[in-house]
Amino acid sequence: DIVMTQSPDSLAVSLGERATINCKSSQSVLYSSNNKNYLAWYQQKPGQPPKLLIYWASTRESGVPDRFSGSGSGTDFTLTISSLQAEDVAVYYCQQYYSTLLFTFGPGTKVDIK
Amino acid sequence: QVQLVQSGAEVKKPGASVKVSCKASGYTFTSYDINWVRQATGQGLEWMGWMNPNSGNTGYAQKFQGRVTMTRNTSISTAYMELSSLRSEDTAVYYCARQAVTADYWGQGTLVTVSS
Repeated sequence: DIVMTQSPDSLAVSLGERATINCKSSQSVLYSSNNKNYLAWYQQKPGQPPKLLIYWASTRESGVPDRFSGSGSGTDFTLTISSLQAEDVAVYYCQQYYSTLLFTFGPGTKVDIK
Repeated sequence: QVQLVQSGAEVKKPGASVKVSCKASGYTFTSYDINWVRQATGQGLEWMGWMNPNSGNTGYAQKFQGRVTMTRNTSISTAYMELSSLRSEDTAVYYCARQAVTADYWGQGTLVTVSS
């Protein structure tokens, strides 16, 4: 099974400042035949289902503000919120969809306002 | 607009089974797989498996093999997830999600409480 880890567990950032979340997979999620990383990022607010932010590691879902960006390849990935807004307070999860037998999620990173 | 509407909260006794429904609208139901994901209170997301509504083919996480069954009724664009031999650790919110590249639209969640 591909195990996903995230760091930090939580972080507090001042409004307008940058937030960076890291995600690591236990094996590469880069599919060589199409050169795509099978990695997504989700945002979840209390009492709501997760919301897809990023797929293919760096492609923003339609309607997602451009302050959210994803980067990385292979086993190491980053979600960056360039200028934190109050509405970005949430838990963020990475997920690999490389292994069709088990689409594992990371443990989540809680983002708060400092 | 794409919508996935799930059935209401359930309370079950240990050893019982629960069947959660997920009604799709706003797209062609048979064109996208349906995933099921659960989340215990205050915990992270746990992927349970997928179902292809066109073929009925399924894939289950090993943890749930033998206890979970995912089915569908294409005439009413509805997917189902049945979990048997319930135990207290199965208390969670269960979500269905449409699988495009990955899970792009999610249901509102169904709370299943297992308690004696």
